[in-house]
Parts: sequence; structure tokens; C-alpha cells
Amino acid sequence: ETGVTQTPRHLVMGMTNKKSLKCEQHLGHNAMYWYKQSAKKPLELMFVYNFKEQTENNSVPSRFSPECPNSSHLFLHLHTLQPEDSALYLCASSQGGESYNEQFFGPGTRLTVL
Amino acid sequence: GENVEQHPSTLSVQEGDSAVIKCTYSDSASNYFPWYKQELGKRPQLIIDIRSNVGEKKDQRIAVTLNKTAKHFSLHITETQPEDSAVYFCAARATGGGNKLTFGTGTQLKVEL
Repeated sequence: ETGVTQTPRHLVMGMTNKKSLKCEQHLGHNAMYWYKQSAKKPLELMFVYNFKEQTENNSVPSRFSPECPNSSHLFLHLHTLQPEDSALYLCASSQGGESYNEQFFGPGTRLTVL
Repeated sequence: GENVEQHPSTLSVQEGDSAVIKCTYSDSASNYFPWYKQELGKRPQLIIDIRSNVGEKKDQRIAVTLNKTAKHFSLHITETQPEDSAVYFCAARATGGGNKLTFGTGTQLKVEL
């Protein structure tokens, strides 16, 4: 157990649904990340939060909306997704700031958009 | 922005042989290069990393080398074992880039008995 948990582990949703992914870290970190992992593609960074402030939005469509209410929790709100958004969504955490800190990943949420 | 290329995409070796995975990066300001291992159905986990002020780093059977001039770095696994079978990702982080890592496309390593 790396201390980063994600729920749900699997999610199937229609294009008109609204759902949320949840990530929680128990490591005392203050930076959290959302990544998208698709087959045969590199891990794509979506969002970065440092000390609850969003510091990176990697040109992600507005149908993905992140929320970081505190340093331990991170959400990804999903709305009117497309089938090509089907992927494994990974959350990670690390110590924040400019440093060589290891990112610890959660187990991911396998999302299927019908 | 940073671009990281990784080769090969698949690699098959016999147990006991060595495996080498290579990555190149584009941003000369990059100063941190971690390698992650992702076993089937599991989360990526850091196995080794190197900073730009070091040319080589070893940890038991794994080692990483960095050539800043050529902007490439490599992962070396010696005496491979079946449990080394996984997808390996290289990544790079640029100075001033905060915690942003740019990942390679991954290498599927298969160690055959």
C-alpha cells in the first residue's frame, strides 16, 4: 500500500452522465496530480496542485474539472465525456515545491465511456 | 515543452541476460530523470532516478546512465529475472517546471525462462 487510494476502481458512464473520481493520500504530501494513461501512449499529465493551488493545466478539455479541497484529497469531475476519454486515470502525490521528489501513484480508475 | 522519446517499445530477453532501455529528451534544462516500473494491472512505482549532476547511478541489478551532452539516458538491468517483466517508463523534469514530469511511451519488457 503506497498510501494513495482512488475510488472507484472501475467506472462505466454514458456521454451525458456526470461522475467524479476521488483520490486520497495518507503520506503527508502537499502536491497532487492527475494523469491519463491510454494504450500505447505516454502517461499524460492533466493537472497539478501544489499546496491546494492548481499550478498546471496541461490543455485539458473543460469536460474534465479538478478540485482540491485540501492537501489530502483530489477530485476529477467528469461531464459529457467522449468515448476517446476512456482510459486509466491515475492520481499521484509528492512533496511539493521545486525538488526531486518521488511521485507515488494510486491504483487508478479504469474509465469506460459508452 | 519537453519531449521524451523511449526505445524500444517492446523488449524480450532470456532470463539472466541484460536489458537496456534508452530515452532521449529535448529540453536541455531538464535536471531530473526517474524511471518507473508498472507491472500488469498495478500502479507505476519508482525504481531508480538520477539527477543531472551525476553520470551514473546503481542500485543492485539496475543502473541508470545519463549523457547530458547528447540528452539521453538509459536504464540497464543485469541478470534479468521473470519478475522484471513489466512496462518501464522513463521521465524527465525541467528546472523551473515545478513537479511536472514528462513521460516516455514505455517499454514492455518480457523476461523469458
